[in-house]
Amino acid sequence: GAGVSQSPSNKVTEKGKDVELRCDPISGHTALYWYRQRLGQGLEFLIYFQGNSAPDKSGLPSDRFSAERTGESVSTLTIQRTQQEDSAVYLCASSLVTLSTGELFFGEGSRLTVL
Amino acid sequence: AQRVTQPEKLLSVFKGAPVELKCNYSYSGSPELFWYVQYSRQRLQLLLRHISRESIKGFTADLNKGETSFHLKKPFAQEEDSAMYYCALSGVQGAQKLVFGQGTRLTINP
Repeated sequence: GAGVSQSPSNKVTEKGKDVELRCDPISGHTALYWYRQRLGQGLEFLIYFQGNSAPDKSGLPSDRFSAERTGESVSTLTIQRTQQEDSAVYLCASSLVTLSTGELFFGEGSRLTVL
Repeated sequence: AQRVTQPEKLLSVFKGAPVELKCNYSYSGSPELFWYVQYSRQRLQLLLRHISRESIKGFTADLNKGETSFHLKKPFAQEEDSAMYYCALSGVQGAQKLVFGQGTRLTINP
């Protein structure tokens, strides 16, 4: 596909379980971003990748959250020991170059519900 | 702290009326401001950026550094403008990320 692809689109899990969310950016896009959107809130920055390295992890809310990117392509966001407050839509975006010159292309999001 | 504020969560206007979505920011450096839009059942997408000084779908936005504002305006609203609008700021201390406001849901009534 031509756009950013995220999976799963919906995930319901029990408190305490681990979840993995996947993002396939647009081919050739070197920058990749993860955001979180809680119900009724704006987009909260989590982490940014340039290539396979993450120069800015400042938004990860706790050490239960981690992300990696391989092959300058796919990225996985992992949430360990999920809590109810982790329930949100997790959005991935990519851009051709870093943000100051390009626009972000967003995926449709992964909706996570923690029971 | 760098922040984007959209004071209106909901805004409703009639078709043909002017519309203004407010955005204020807090940032000490030279910001880059954007408006993103999400139509029903579609992805979040860029509407316009201040650096381009462009008009997209009849919308314009002017960066006012004195008032630290970047309000989005359209003189005559259309029903297809109904959507969620987010103001966003980059250039935050050199970090490569967008800081978003909480969004305004715009509804255009027929």
